[in-house]
Amino acid sequence: KAGVTQTPRYLIKTRGQQVTLSCSPISGHRSVSWYQQTPGQGLQFLFEYFSETQRNKGNFPGRFSGRQFSNSRSEMNVSTLELGDSALYLCASSPTEAGQPQHFGDGTRLSIL
Amino acid sequence: EDQVTQSPEALRLQEGESSSLNCSYTVSGLRGLFWYRQDPGKGPEFLFTLYSAGEEKEKERLKATLTKKESFLHITAPKPEDSATYLCAVRPSGSRLTFGEGTQLTVNP
Repeated sequence: KAGVTQTPRYLIKTRGQQVTLSCSPISGHRSVSWYQQTPGQGLQFLFEYFSETQRNKGNFPGRFSGRQFSNSRSEMNVSTLELGDSALYLCASSPTEAGQPQHFGDGTRLSIL
Repeated sequence: EDQVTQSPEALRLQEGESSSLNCSYTVSGLRGLFWYRQDPGKGPEFLFTLYSAGEEKEKERLKATLTKKESFLHITAPKPEDSATYLCAVRPSGSRLTFGEGTQLTVNP
């Protein structure tokens, strides 16, 4: 069974640009969550989607947005990139949004110059 | 506010030296407590889910336990390949997963 796939694996952008990251969940999983991981802040929750609806949202500015498609694939977008957005962005999927474990991809490493 | 605190931040063991990692939590209505292992440059790998106080789960050299306030990850006779960062996360009712900062474990041969 294929795991969670995130593309691209690495990305280099400059300040002010925007970026779109993609996540393909495990087949049959309908819930997708996004996290930002940095050495100083640990894993910070961005948003959670279930059946194309945003169920939860973390404390990030409006520059961070996401969506989920009918096939459960998800994208997140960051506009007007700042140096502080440099991080590992992780996507996780689970069968539902209830108390089931989330399974993570290996992330997209975003570097802002 | 939901909180998860892991201790110690870092732990260095000799191969075969058993120890425990701690995860203390404060949540309203626990839907699940999760342990993950994360290797450098990789996403977290799911290890265990615990749902209620008194529950225990085992996998190879790892054993996770849960009380109403904390969870322990016991590592018995660790090997160098057990070196990783171990993350604890809680899922409160109607809310999202909250992670602790993790414990970085190093096992020396």
